Amino acid sequence: GQQLNQSPQSMFIQEGEDVSMNCTSSSIFNTWLWYKQDPGEGPVLLIALYKAGELTSNGRLTAQFGITRKDSFLNISASIPSDVGIYFCAGQVGSGNTGKLIFGQGTTLQVKP
Amino acid sequence: NAGVTQTPKFRILKIGQSMTLQCTQDMNHNYMYWYRQDPGMGLKLIYYSVGAGITDKGEVPNGYNVSRSTTEDFPLRLELAAPSQTSVYFCASSLQTNRANEKLFFGSGTQLSVL
Repeated sequence: GQQLNQSPQSMFIQEGEDVSMNCTSSSIFNTWLWYKQDPGEGPVLLIALYKAGELTSNGRLTAQFGITRKDSFLNISASIPSDVGIYFCAGQVGSGNTGKLIFGQGTTLQVKP
Repeated sequence: NAGVTQTPKFRILKIGQSMTLQCTQDMNHNYMYWYRQDPGMGLKLIYYSVGAGITDKGEVPNGYNVSRSTTEDFPLRLELAAPSQTSVYFCASSLQTNRANEKLFFGSGTQLSVL
């Protein structure tokens, strides 16, 4: 089945630093999504990408839908302590309301004040 | 402003016991999902439902059952608990249109241990 490889698995950075993480697959996806999970909570959608090459921002977060449709990137600029959490990428195969997403393994981010 | 509500938050089961994880949403979403999250493995889809009376298997359905008698509720049933079912379970819902199903709203999770 389809798999998403997310890297890095974990990051420990200093407050104020920029962060980059990515998600790759051997399969083509029509939609790429980025979620954040705070400790003890469910994931929350950060950014949704619908077209190859699309670059979308949400505050200090910027995500891109790779041209090949097999990858996506998330950047966080000027990190702050509340950025701590697990970041998941997710891809949807097919179109319309098929109801299924494939999730990456997650990138755990820790920020040192 | 409840959103997706899951109960219980924590549960310990003995091998072979059964239990139901409850999930309810008040957003009138037609789609509902159950995922399990294992460390370093991301989220795996167990079952999903596109509307009341309709359910379908996800990636890892074995050992679980679901029902969807109302739009609001989507309980997950474990009939014979096994240690391999130790995990964190998340219920989610979304309002499906012709667009992608990306806007999942997740509950806060149920941490289940089977000993």
